[in-house]
Amino acid sequence: GENVEQHPSTLSVQEGDSAVIKCTYSDSASNYFPWYKQELGKRPQLIIDIRSNVGEKKDQRIAVTLNKTAKHFSLHITETQPEDSAVYFCAASIRWGGKLIFGQGTELSVKP
Amino acid sequence: EADIYQTPRYLVIGTGKKITLECSQTMGHDKMYWYQQDPGMELHLIHYSYGVNSTEKGDLSSESTVSRIRTEHFPLTLESARPSHTSQYLCASTGQGRTPLHFGNGTRLTVT
Repeated sequence: GENVEQHPSTLSVQEGDSAVIKCTYSDSASNYFPWYKQELGKRPQLIIDIRSNVGEKKDQRIAVTLNKTAKHFSLHITETQPEDSAVYFCAASIRWGGKLIFGQGTELSVKP
Repeated sequence: EADIYQTPRYLVIGTGKKITLECSQTMGHDKMYWYQQDPGMELHLIHYSYGVNSTEKGDLSSESTVSRIRTEHFPLTLESARPSHTSQYLCASTGQGRTPLHFGNGTRLTVT
């Protein structure tokens, strides 16, 4: 079955710096890759997603890149702010609406 | 408001008790999922359903069972709770087309 590896497990940056979180997946049939943000004590919330026919997608300070050949995708957050502090999860699925397999999570800390 | 609702929010029970965690969604979604998550840690898929009378086991072995008799309702049952079942259980759902996975607020279960 699908396996998703996520790195790093923790990431600490200064406010205003950029943060990058990387994921690799094992199933070459996967074609949907969402990213979720989970604040302490709250439910995971979708922040951005990408499909395999797109190499990059951007939404304000957040961007995701996908390399299907290498089977990896990354989350980029620019101009980080303290409210970006949370745990971020990548995920992969063989189809939109199919079961999602999640990475291990990255705890991002943005220091003011 | 259309959402996914989980009850109870917190539950503390003794070993050996039978419990049912409730999950209902009012978004008209056909696919529903149960994830197990220790706080801030990886989300493990334990059960999923693509429609009424259809249930599948996820990638993480679980001693729980599920049922899907109604589209909007996807309860999870533990016949005999053990301390190793202590965790957070997140219910999620998604629908047709480009509908992202949407999570409930979770049930935090403690088995003493």
